[in-house]
Amino acid sequence: DAGVIQSPRHEVTEMGQEVTLRCKPISGHNSLFWYRQTMMRGLELLIYFNNNVPIDDSGMPEDRFSAKMPNASFSTLKIQPSEPRDSAVYFCASSFSGKDTDTQYFGPGTRLTVL
Amino acid sequence: RKEVEQDPGPFNVPEGATVAFNCTYSNSASQSFFWYRQDCRKEPKLLMSVYSSGNEDGRFTAQLNRASQYISLLIRDSKLSDSATYLCVVNKDRFTGGGNKLTFGTGTQLKVEL
Repeated sequence: DAGVIQSPRHEVTEMGQEVTLRCKPISGHNSLFWYRQTMMRGLELLIYFNNNVPIDDSGMPEDRFSAKMPNASFSTLKIQPSEPRDSAVYFCASSFSGKDTDTQYFGPGTRLTVL
Repeated sequence: RKEVEQDPGPFNVPEGATVAFNCTYSNSASQSFFWYRQDCRKEPKLLMSVYSSGNEDGRFTAQLNRASQYISLLIRDSKLSDSATYLCVVNKDRFTGGGNKLTFGTGTQLKVEL
């Protein structure tokens, strides 16, 4: 079975440019999470979707960040304009939020470098 | 104070050794607990859940002390393939709709050597 798919795997861009990260969750999962990981701050939750609806975006650092989930099989995280401090690994994770168990499965991540 | 605190390591141990990692969490209302494993330049993967009574999965044993807000992971007979970063993860809440709001520690690095 395919796991969570993310693209691109690596992105190098210049400050001020728009960056779009993409995620395809595991089929049948109803929850999707975007995380950011840096050496200094570790893994931080940016936004959570349930049934394609954004439920909690309190972790989104600022208005330059936006996320969408137009359907159950696709989500994007956009940064516009990008800044060097946005350099990090961005992970997408999905889960099936049932009553008892909802293990989050992570994608391979997108390594973003903003010059 | 961080919500989840871990010793970053690295822990360098010889193959076959027993090694223990500790983790403390600040929110006494936290509901469930996990250990995730992250290999270098890879995504985190669930290693095991941590239950109040303690639980074991092969060479791995997890313990929870709610009174002290403390979680541990013990690895026996360590293998070279155990080299990774181990993330302590706490679920303090559930989102509307049921998803787990996980808080990750920054991880403890383990290096198992010949």
